[in-house]
Amino acid sequence: EDKVVQSPLSLVVHEGDTVTLNCSYEVTNFRSLLWYKQEKKAPTFLFMLTSSGIEKKSGRLSSILDKKELFSILNITATQTGDSAVYLCAVGYTGTASKLTFGTGTRLQVTL
Amino acid sequence: NAGVMQNPRHLVRRRGQEARLRCSPMKGHSHVYWYRQLPEEGLKFMVYLQKENIIDESGMPKERFSAEFPKEGPSILRIQQVVRGDSAAYFCASSPTAESGNTIYFGEGSWLTVV
Repeated sequence: EDKVVQSPLSLVVHEGDTVTLNCSYEVTNFRSLLWYKQEKKAPTFLFMLTSSGIEKKSGRLSSILDKKELFSILNITATQTGDSAVYLCAVGYTGTASKLTFGTGTRLQVTL
Repeated sequence: NAGVMQNPRHLVRRRGQEARLRCSPMKGHSHVYWYRQLPEEGLKFMVYLQKENIIDESGMPKERFSAEFPKEGPSILRIQQVVRGDSAAYFCASSPTAESGNTIYFGEGSWLTVV
Protein backbone atom coordinates (compact mmCIF):
# COMPACT_ATOMS: atom_id res chain seq x y z
CA GLU A 1 0.00 0.00 0.00
CA ASP A 2 1.27 3.47 -0.87
CA LYS A 3 2.45 5.53 2.09
CA VAL A 4 3.24 9.18 2.63
CA VAL A 5 4.59 9.98 6.08
CA GLN A 6 5.14 13.46 7.43
CA SER A 7 7.13 14.51 10.46
CA PRO A 8 6.92 16.02 12.91
CA LEU A 9 3.16 15.78 13.44
CA SER A 10 3.16 19.17 15.09
CA LEU A 11 5.63 21.91 15.84
CA VAL A 12 5.60 25.12 17.85
CA VAL A 13 8.24 27.74 17.09
CA HIS A 14 8.88 31.38 17.83
CA GLU A 15 8.53 34.02 15.18
CA GLY A 16 11.81 34.37 13.32
CA ASP A 17 12.83 30.74 13.70
CA THR A 18 13.62 28.49 10.74
CA VAL A 19 11.72 25.23 10.43
CA THR A 20 12.19 22.10 8.36
CA LEU A 21 9.25 19.84 7.63
CA ASN A 22 9.81 16.31 6.39
CA CYS A 23 7.95 14.05 4.01
CA SER A 24 8.91 10.50 3.11
CA TYR A 25 7.08 8.26 0.69
CA GLU A 26 6.78 4.70 -0.52
CA VAL A 27 4.69 4.56 -3.66
CA THR A 28 4.60 2.85 -7.00
CA ASN A 29 4.50 4.86 -10.23
CA PHE A 30 5.80 8.02 -8.59
CA ARG A 31 5.57 11.14 -10.71
CA SER A 32 5.70 14.16 -8.44
CA LEU A 33 5.64 15.39 -4.87
CA LEU A 34 3.53 18.34 -3.92
CA TRP A 35 3.36 20.59 -0.89
CA TYR A 36 0.19 22.37 0.19
CA LYS A 37 -0.57 24.80 3.01
CA GLN A 38 -3.91 24.38 4.72
CA GLU A 39 -5.37 26.96 7.00
CA LYS A 40 -8.96 26.41 8.06
CA LYS A 41 -10.13 26.05 4.49
CA ALA A 42 -8.85 24.96 1.09
CA PRO A 43 -5.34 23.54 0.73
CA THR A 44 -3.25 26.11 -1.10
CA PHE A 45 -0.68 24.85 -3.59
CA LEU A 46 2.94 25.66 -2.71
CA PHE A 47 5.31 23.53 -4.78
CA MET A 48 5.43 20.62 -7.15
CA LEU A 49 8.71 18.70 -7.38
CA THR A 50 9.53 16.14 -10.01
CA SER A 51 13.33 16.12 -10.19
CA SER A 52 15.85 15.26 -7.51
CA GLY A 53 18.17 17.88 -6.13
CA ILE A 54 16.57 20.94 -7.68
CA GLU A 55 15.45 23.40 -5.03
CA LYS A 56 12.27 25.33 -5.56
CA LYS A 57 11.90 28.66 -3.79
CA SER A 58 9.08 31.04 -3.15
CA GLY A 59 9.93 33.88 -0.81
CA ARG A 60 10.82 32.41 2.58
CA LEU A 61 9.73 28.92 1.56
CA SER A 62 11.85 26.39 -0.26
CA SER A 63 11.63 22.69 -0.97
CA ILE A 64 13.77 19.94 -2.39
CA LEU A 65 13.18 16.34 -3.43
CA ASP A 66 15.46 13.32 -3.06
CA LYS A 67 14.14 10.54 -5.30
CA LYS A 68 16.87 8.13 -4.26
CA GLU A 69 16.11 8.36 -0.56
CA LEU A 70 12.39 8.96 -1.22
CA PHE A 71 11.86 12.10 0.77
CA SER A 72 11.33 15.82 0.52
CA ILE A 73 11.79 18.72 2.90
CA LEU A 74 10.01 22.02 3.15
CA ASN A 75 11.97 24.85 4.74
CA ILE A 76 10.49 28.04 6.07
CA THR A 77 12.93 30.74 7.14
CA ALA A 78 12.18 33.75 9.36
CA THR A 79 8.81 32.31 10.29
CA GLN A 80 5.85 34.62 10.86
CA THR A 81 2.58 34.05 12.68
CA GLY A 82 0.88 33.91 9.28
CA ASP A 83 2.82 30.74 8.54
CA SER A 84 0.78 28.93 11.18
CA ALA A 85 -1.09 26.21 9.30
CA VAL A 86 -1.10 22.53 8.48
CA TYR A 87 1.42 21.70 5.79
CA LEU A 88 0.42 18.78 3.61
CA CYS A 89 2.67 16.64 1.46
CA ALA A 90 1.17 14.65 -1.40
CA VAL A 91 2.43 12.29 -4.07
CA GLY A 92 1.17 12.23 -7.66
CA TYR A 93 1.33 9.29 -10.02
CA THR A 94 2.18 8.59 -13.62
CA GLY A 95 -0.58 7.45 -15.91
CA THR A 96 -3.88 9.01 -16.67
CA ALA A 97 -5.37 8.92 -13.19
CA SER A 98 -4.55 12.05 -11.29
CA LYS A 99 -5.32 11.16 -7.72
CA LEU A 100 -2.94 12.33 -5.04
CA THR A 101 -2.00 10.44 -1.89
CA PHE A 102 -1.63 12.80 1.04
CA GLY A 103 0.23 12.54 4.30
CA THR A 104 -1.55 13.48 7.50
CA GLY A 105 0.21 16.82 7.63
CA THR A 106 2.44 18.77 9.98
CA ARG A 107 0.67 21.32 12.14
CA LEU A 108 2.93 24.37 12.54
CA GLN A 109 2.22 27.03 15.12
CA VAL A 110 4.32 30.18 15.12
CA THR A 111 4.13 32.20 18.33
CA LEU A 112 5.20 35.75 19.08
CA ASN B 1 -7.71 28.13 -6.31
CA ALA B 2 -10.50 30.48 -5.34
CA GLY B 3 -12.00 29.59 -8.72
CA VAL B 4 -13.22 26.16 -7.61
CA MET B 5 -16.64 26.78 -6.13
CA GLN B 6 -18.25 24.44 -3.67
CA ASN B 7 -21.61 24.61 -2.00
CA PRO B 8 -22.94 24.38 0.51
CA ARG B 9 -20.02 25.34 2.70
CA HIS B 10 -21.66 23.81 5.73
CA LEU B 11 -24.37 21.18 5.80
CA VAL B 12 -26.08 19.51 8.74
CA ARG B 13 -28.00 16.31 8.16
CA ARG B 14 -29.75 13.88 10.46
CA ARG B 15 -28.80 10.22 10.27
CA GLY B 16 -30.56 8.57 7.36
CA GLN B 17 -30.96 11.72 5.27
CA GLU B 18 -29.24 12.44 1.99
CA ALA B 19 -26.45 14.93 1.45
CA ARG B 20 -25.67 16.54 -1.89
CA LEU B 21 -22.48 18.48 -2.34
CA ARG B 22 -21.84 20.54 -5.45
CA CYS B 23 -18.66 21.60 -7.14
CA SER B 24 -18.07 23.92 -10.08
CA PRO B 25 -14.49 23.63 -11.37
CA MET B 26 -12.29 26.51 -12.31
CA LYS B 27 -13.04 28.05 -15.69
CA GLY B 28 -11.43 25.97 -18.41
CA HIS B 29 -11.01 22.92 -16.18
CA SER B 30 -12.72 19.73 -17.25
CA HIS B 31 -11.30 17.34 -14.63
CA VAL B 32 -12.80 17.16 -11.17
CA TYR B 33 -11.62 15.32 -8.08
CA TRP B 34 -13.32 14.75 -4.74
CA TYR B 35 -11.38 14.27 -1.52
CA ARG B 36 -12.56 13.64 2.02
CA GLN B 37 -10.83 14.88 5.15
CA LEU B 38 -11.86 13.28 8.40
CA PRO B 39 -11.04 15.11 11.65
CA GLU B 40 -7.29 15.02 12.38
CA GLU B 41 -6.60 13.01 9.22
CA GLY B 42 -5.11 13.77 5.84
CA LEU B 43 -7.03 14.20 2.63
CA LYS B 44 -8.18 10.93 1.09
CA PHE B 45 -8.91 10.60 -2.61
CA MET B 46 -12.44 9.52 -3.42
CA VAL B 47 -13.17 9.91 -7.12
CA TYR B 48 -11.92 11.49 -10.33
CA LEU B 49 -14.36 12.55 -13.04
CA GLN B 50 -14.38 14.15 -16.42
CA LYS B 51 -17.52 15.44 -18.08
CA GLU B 52 -20.06 12.59 -18.12
CA ASN B 53 -17.41 10.02 -17.15
CA ILE B 54 -16.13 8.52 -13.93
CA ILE B 55 -12.43 7.86 -14.54
CA ASP B 56 -11.28 6.54 -11.16
CA GLU B 57 -13.58 5.80 -8.24
CA SER B 58 -11.14 3.63 -6.32
CA GLY B 59 -11.50 5.76 -3.18
CA MET B 60 -15.28 5.76 -3.04
CA PRO B 61 -17.02 3.70 -0.38
CA LYS B 62 -18.86 0.85 -2.03
CA GLU B 63 -22.28 1.81 -0.72
CA ARG B 64 -24.27 5.02 -0.29
CA PHE B 65 -21.77 7.26 -2.12
CA SER B 66 -22.03 8.32 -5.74
CA ALA B 67 -20.63 11.08 -7.91
CA GLU B 68 -21.44 12.59 -11.24
CA PHE B 69 -20.20 15.36 -13.49
CA PRO B 70 -22.90 16.00 -16.10
CA LYS B 71 -22.40 17.68 -19.42
CA GLU B 72 -24.02 20.80 -18.04
CA GLY B 73 -23.80 21.97 -14.46
CA PRO B 74 -21.64 21.21 -11.47
CA SER B 75 -20.21 17.95 -10.27
CA ILE B 76 -22.27 16.41 -7.47
CA LEU B 77 -21.17 14.13 -4.66
CA ARG B 78 -24.20 12.37 -3.22
CA ILE B 79 -24.27 10.54 0.09
CA GLN B 80 -27.40 8.55 0.81
CA GLN B 81 -28.58 7.52 4.28
CA VAL B 82 -25.83 9.44 6.02
CA VAL B 83 -24.26 8.11 9.22
CA ARG B 84 -22.23 9.91 11.89
CA GLY B 85 -19.00 8.58 10.36
CA ASP B 86 -19.71 10.56 7.19
CA SER B 87 -19.10 13.79 9.11
CA ALA B 88 -16.06 15.29 7.41
CA ALA B 89 -14.85 18.03 5.13
CA TYR B 90 -15.36 17.20 1.46
CA PHE B 91 -13.01 19.00 -0.88
CA CYS B 92 -13.39 19.30 -4.60
CA ALA B 93 -10.45 20.07 -6.86
CA SER B 94 -10.02 20.63 -10.55
CA SER B 95 -7.40 20.66 -13.27
CA PRO B 96 -7.41 21.54 -16.98
CA THR B 97 -6.04 18.19 -18.13
CA ALA B 98 -5.15 14.85 -16.61
CA GLU B 99 -1.46 15.39 -17.19
CA SER B 100 -1.32 18.70 -15.43
CA GLY B 101 -3.70 17.23 -12.93
CA ASN B 102 -0.89 16.43 -10.57
CA THR B 103 -1.11 20.15 -9.79
CA ILE B 104 -4.74 20.38 -8.77
CA TYR B 105 -6.48 23.33 -7.21
CA PHE B 106 -8.88 22.92 -4.33
CA GLY B 107 -12.15 24.55 -3.47
CA GLU B 108 -12.99 25.84 0.01
CA GLY B 109 -14.63 22.58 1.02
CA SER B 110 -18.04 21.49 2.23
CA TRP B 111 -18.27 20.61 5.92
CA LEU B 112 -20.84 17.90 6.52
CA THR B 113 -22.06 17.29 10.05
CA VAL B 114 -24.33 14.33 10.70
CA VAL B 115 -26.35 14.56 13.90
